[in-house]
Parts: sequence; C-alpha cells; structure tokens
Amino acid sequence: DTAVSQTPKYLVTQMGNDKSIKCEQNLGHDTMYWYKQDSKKFLKIMFSYNNKELIINETVPNRFSPKSPDKAHLNLHINSLELGDSAVYFCASSPLGTYTYEQYFGPGTRLTVT
Amino acid sequence: DAKTTQPNSMESNEEEPVHLPCNHSTISGTDYIHWYRQLPSQGPEYVIHGLTSNVNNRMASLAIAEDRKSSTLILHRATLRDAAVYYCILRNSGGSNYKLTFGKGTLLTVNP
Repeated sequence: DTAVSQTPKYLVTQMGNDKSIKCEQNLGHDTMYWYKQDSKKFLKIMFSYNNKELIINETVPNRFSPKSPDKAHLNLHINSLELGDSAVYFCASSPLGTYTYEQYFGPGTRLTVT
Repeated sequence: DAKTTQPNSMESNEEEPVHLPCNHSTISGTDYIHWYRQLPSQGPEYVIHGLTSNVNNRMASLAIAEDRKSSTLILHRATLRDAAVYYCILRNSGGSNYKLTFGKGTLLTVNP
C-alpha cells in the first residue's frame, strides 16, 4: 500500500510545454508539500498546503501552480517549462503541520526539459 | 532556521555501528532535532527526532549533547541498505514550522 504516490515517475518534455505532476496520499494527513531536488542534490521546499489552503510559497516562479482539489491530493502544474526546471520533484505529507510529526515523501518525479 | 553542520561523507563497514555527527551551535530552546535519510533514487525518509533527551526507535538512536549544540545519529549495526544521505534538520516549534529545510547532509557509504 503506497502511502504517498506520484505520477508520472519520469517526465521528458520540451521547453515551452505545460505539464502536470500528480500526488496522492492515503494517510489521512492534512498537510501536503512539494519539494524540488536540483542536479546538485539540494532539496528545497516549494509549496505547502494545509486542508486545501496554501500556507507556504517559497519564492517559486508563478509558472508553477499547485492545486489541491481535496486534502488527499496536491498536483503541480508547470507552464512554459524551462531548462532550469529539470529536477526531481517530491511530494510529501504530514499530519496537521506540527514540528514533531514526520513527513512522508513520495518516490519522486524526474522531470527533464530538453 | 538555525543552521546545522555535518561531514560531507562517512564510511562504515557492514554490521558495525555508525555514529553520524551533527553540529547545531545556534540551536534555540524550541528547536527539535530531526533526522531524515535519502536512499539512492528514493524520497527522503524520516529516521528519528528529539528535543533534549536521547531517543531510540527501531531504526536508530539519537544522542543529544547536554548543551544541545550537537547530536549524533547512531546506527547500531550498519547494513548495505543503510547507505544513504543522512540529513540533520532543526525544526522550530513556532513560526513557519511546516517545512523541512534540508542541508547537504552526510553521504554514508557502507562497505560489505
């Protein structure tokens, strides 16, 4: 039983295209996140949603738009893809955002922009 | 967020204990110490967390210095599966505590 799942696992696309990455968690958590891991392996928070409301937006270009249709899903839509968007994107979830609860991460989506 | 410092890499032999250090000299009284690890080609995975007292769970132990300016993650018997990047992260109990701020971590290599 997958706790946090992401689709697709791999995504290869050309510059200028629009693409979406989907994330679903079956843990009943209230808070979901998107992280980006670049080629140098740095992991950085992008967004966080709590009960479908945006609570963190870490200076991400507005080409990136998260959407949370319900608290079990947090999708990431990216417009006008650029070469620099190539990275691994991780979705995560946790119980109501507190400092003691662990975050559960998905397997990642490797995005390659050519 | 308070900063942590970890060695870039460490090496261990299989079935031997591993002590992964983390310095956090600017830690505040309300910062929790969390450890995550990332196995190759996988998402990060929670390992353990603590505030002041040492903590044990099925994966590892966390030893926290009395002044809380450093901590050590202890893997009691390393296996090949423990080869990963280990991240030491401070999470404050106030403010924007939702996110995890990852540093460079320590790349642990386990030799058979």
